[in-house]
Amino acid sequence: NAGVTQTPKFQVLKTGQSMTLQCAQDMNHNSMYWYRQDPGMGLRLIYYSASEGTTDKGEVPNGYNVSRLNKREFSLRLESAAPSQTSVYFCASSEDFSVYSRRANEQFFGPGTRLTVL
Amino acid sequence: EDQVTQSPEALRLQEGESSSLNCSYTVSGLRGLFWYRQDPGKGPEFLFTLYSAGEEKEKERLKATLTKKESFLHITAPKPEDSATYLCAVGNDMRFGAGTRLTVKP
Repeated sequence: NAGVTQTPKFQVLKTGQSMTLQCAQDMNHNSMYWYRQDPGMGLRLIYYSASEGTTDKGEVPNGYNVSRLNKREFSLRLESAAPSQTSVYFCASSEDFSVYSRRANEQFFGPGTRLTVL
Repeated sequence: EDQVTQSPEALRLQEGESSSLNCSYTVSGLRGLFWYRQDPGKGPEFLFTLYSAGEEKEKERLKATLTKKESFLHITAPKPEDSATYLCAVGNDMRFGAGTRLTVKP
């Protein structure tokens, strides 16, 4: 049971290049998330997928796109990388997230991808 | 807009010296207050969820409490292995605080 896995672990890009960060979970969770973590700013939500087939913007979605490929996989794409996107990116999953639910579930995080944009 | 503020930013303790970390929040209709531990170079690891004011949860040397405006993470007789960054988050929009970096010296 690997939990949440992310690839790659490290990546260096030049300004303007594109790349896709991959995430997979084996816990049969419905909901998946992408965060970025910058020094002094904590984790900020980029996009999330409440269930297979749906995606929604989070706090900082500009410059990113996502795809919920199936129930297990959720990818994050940078179409034209900028230095401001240098960060550590975390993928997470939870059993179920709904804006209509009175209780949210805990999230399980992957090990992160450290991205540098030159 | 929901807000989550953690204090202090950093805390240095001697082994055995108990203390508390604070997480204050402004959110309408709290759907869960979460505490996570994050070690350097790793993803956050879930510790506790609190849903109602007055609720308390305990795990080893850690105890989390919740009021209508804030949550505390109490650390009793900490050990060096408790050194980590502790994050809190509200479940309404998955908003995280900036964290408290705890260092416990032997």
